[in-house]
Amino acid sequence: QKEVEQNSGPLSVPEGAIASLNCTYSDRGSQSFFWYRQYSGKSPELIMFIYSNGDKEDGRFTAQLNKASQYVSLLIRDSQPSDSATYLCAEETGANNLFFGTGTRLTVIP
Amino acid sequence: DTEVTQTPKHLVMGMTNKKSLKCEQHMGHRAMYWYKQKAKKPPELMFVYSYEKLSINESVPSRFSPECPNSSLLNLHLHALQPEDSALYLCASSQGSREAYGYTFGSGTRLTVV
Repeated sequence: QKEVEQNSGPLSVPEGAIASLNCTYSDRGSQSFFWYRQYSGKSPELIMFIYSNGDKEDGRFTAQLNKASQYVSLLIRDSQPSDSATYLCAEETGANNLFFGTGTRLTVIP
Repeated sequence: DTEVTQTPKHLVMGMTNKKSLKCEQHMGHRAMYWYKQKAKKPPELMFVYSYEKLSINESVPSRFSPECPNSSLLNLHLHALQPEDSALYLCASSQGSREAYGYTFGSGTRLTVV
């Protein structure tokens, strides 16, 4: 049974702080992971993908993957109120499909 | 064109109605997907089409019937739905390869069954 676990939150951080979102997964064979942002009532939009151990940076976002610990994280630096959304962690299965975690709701307080 | 277009954006239907949701992409993506998302829940996979062939049906009730007329179009035919089927229905497409950079989602169809 595939599982992707996220803390549902809500996670509240002050504007300008670093928001840290975490995700663990059960399938040791999983290769690729994605972070999606979903505003209320909208569809998910891709923020980052990562498939190698270590860090990957894109602007204010850094994704981290630790395959030994089966752990994926997303750091958002200089958090802005516009970052307030639900962040979905997803793993790509061998069939090229995405299996989503339950999501973490982030609130950035001005 | 880097979009996935879904129509209609909103749909209200009775339990005896027949309706269809439509999805279109012109990015040359080889895989297309239907997901269902209930409030405060993650998207749940319903169907996958790969190269216009149905490759995955995640035990979805037969009142949902997918169709892929060509590589750019994906339909979801609805018949005799129940109120608990009310949800956001998301279409997505992807390259379909191991190096795929995730999905591109459409804006969704908000379905209400009355």
